[in-house]
Amino acid sequence: QKEVEQDPGPLSVPEGAIVSLNCTYSNSAFQYFMWYRQYSRKGPELLMYTYSSGNKEDGRFTAQVDKSSKYISLFIRDSQPSDSATYLCAMREAAGNKLTFGGGTRVLVKP
Amino acid sequence: GAVVSQHPSRVICKSGTSVKIECRSLDFQATTMFWYRQFPKQSLMLMATSNEGSKATYEQGVEKDKFLINHASLTLSTLTVTSAHPEDSSFYICSANSGRGSYEQYFGPGTRLTVT
Repeated sequence: QKEVEQDPGPLSVPEGAIVSLNCTYSNSAFQYFMWYRQYSRKGPELLMYTYSSGNKEDGRFTAQVDKSSKYISLFIRDSQPSDSATYLCAMREAAGNKLTFGGGTRVLVKP
Repeated sequence: GAVVSQHPSRVICKSGTSVKIECRSLDFQATTMFWYRQFPKQSLMLMATSNEGSKATYEQGVEKDKFLINHASLTLSTLTVTSAHPEDSSFYICSANSGRGSYEQYFGPGTRLTVT
């Protein structure tokens, strides 16, 4: 079993819809949770970061962490074709700086 | 914002030769740099972590004699793939962390290596 599980998709939505992404994990020591966006043949770009449980909102993006369920989510409102990319969740423990990534979910937003 | 560059962006080499990939932090000092490998439609797999001035720490299953990592300065780390084989063809991505309690890793644009 992988430490971080993420549905590979592809997830296809019409423009303007809400994109809902999630990851589950098994390591209860993870304290920091991140979402990265990766366009084809490019490096990942940090979108959202949350510490421990709770919600965080930044523009069209909302990140949620439920540590009791070991489940994190990313919501993208008013999706645009430019949001089409692969979204990777990543996590790390409080000590150290090693990130553990999910497999990534490919998202397609159709005009 | 923090910018990390990689060079080259794409390289093709013959089997048996060695290839060096550079990773530079352009506007901050990177106490720690990470090297990842990514196969098509798969996630990033951490290969090694390097701290400036010390030997790299390799993940289990990564051959340190094949993937040589040097982090000689606070803005430059290099990955050398020695005696490359076709199975080494992949997308190699570096990231950098400024340390001092910062959680964030800034990623480079990646280098696509093709070994023929």
